[in-house]
Amino acid sequence: DAGVIQSPRHEVTEMGQEVTLRCKPISGHDYLFWYRQTMMRGLELLIYFNNNVPIDDSGMPEDRFSAKMPNASFSTLKIQPSEPRDSAVYFCASSSFGKASTDTQYFGPGTRLTVL
Amino acid sequence: GIQVEQSPPDLILQEGANSTLRCNFSDSVNNLQWFHQNPWGQLINLFYIPSGTKQNGRLSATTVATERYSLLYISSSQTTDSGVYFCAVANTGANSKLTFGKGITLSVRP
Repeated sequence: DAGVIQSPRHEVTEMGQEVTLRCKPISGHDYLFWYRQTMMRGLELLIYFNNNVPIDDSGMPEDRFSAKMPNASFSTLKIQPSEPRDSAVYFCASSSFGKASTDTQYFGPGTRLTVL
Repeated sequence: GIQVEQSPPDLILQEGANSTLRCNFSDSVNNLQWFHQNPWGQLINLFYIPSGTKQNGRLSATTVATERYSLLYISSSQTTDSGVYFCAVANTGANSKLTFGKGITLSVRP
C-alpha cells in the first residue's frame, strides 16, 4: 500500500486566498483525521471522520476552515480566506479502528502551508 | 480534556547509549500510541499500547494504565533515532480522538 497520500506537499499563498489541502487515506481504513502542527500549539486534532461522516469537528479553529469527505478514498480541508496565522504543517492520518484490535493511526507526509 | 506530559523535554545521547522516555496522562485511557517524528517531519507510529508491554527491535514500550504512565525504551541508540517522540492518548469516552503530548526531542550523537 502507498500509505496516506497528501497534496500538495508545500503551498505558499497570499492572505485572503482560498487554500485546499487533499488527502487519500489507506485503502480499507474507515477513520480519517486532519491535524495541524505548529511550534506554539504542537499537534492538534482539527476534525475526524468515520465512514465518511464527520464525527468531531470541535478542533476546527474558525468558520474559515471546512472539511469534507465525499467518498472513502478522498478528503479535503479548505481554508477560505486564509490568514498568516494559518501557516502550519497540516497532516492527514487514517486508521482502521476495531478491525485488528488496534487503533494505530498512520500519518501522511503533511502539507506545509505558508500564508504571506 | 485529558492532559499529557512527556519528560524529559530534551535528551542528548551518545550513540550506543540507552534511554527511557516517559509519558504521564491525567485520566483513564483506552488508546495510547507512541510516534517518532524524524528530522524531515514524517510521523511514524511506533507502538499502539494502551496497556502491557511490547517490543520491536531495539525499541520497547510499557504502559501501566492504572498508574497513568507509559515508558518508551530505546536501547543501543543510533543517530537515526534522532527526532521528536510523541505520546498520544485517547480516553475511554472518545477512543479515536488522540491528544498529543508536546514531545521529547532526542539527539543521538555519533
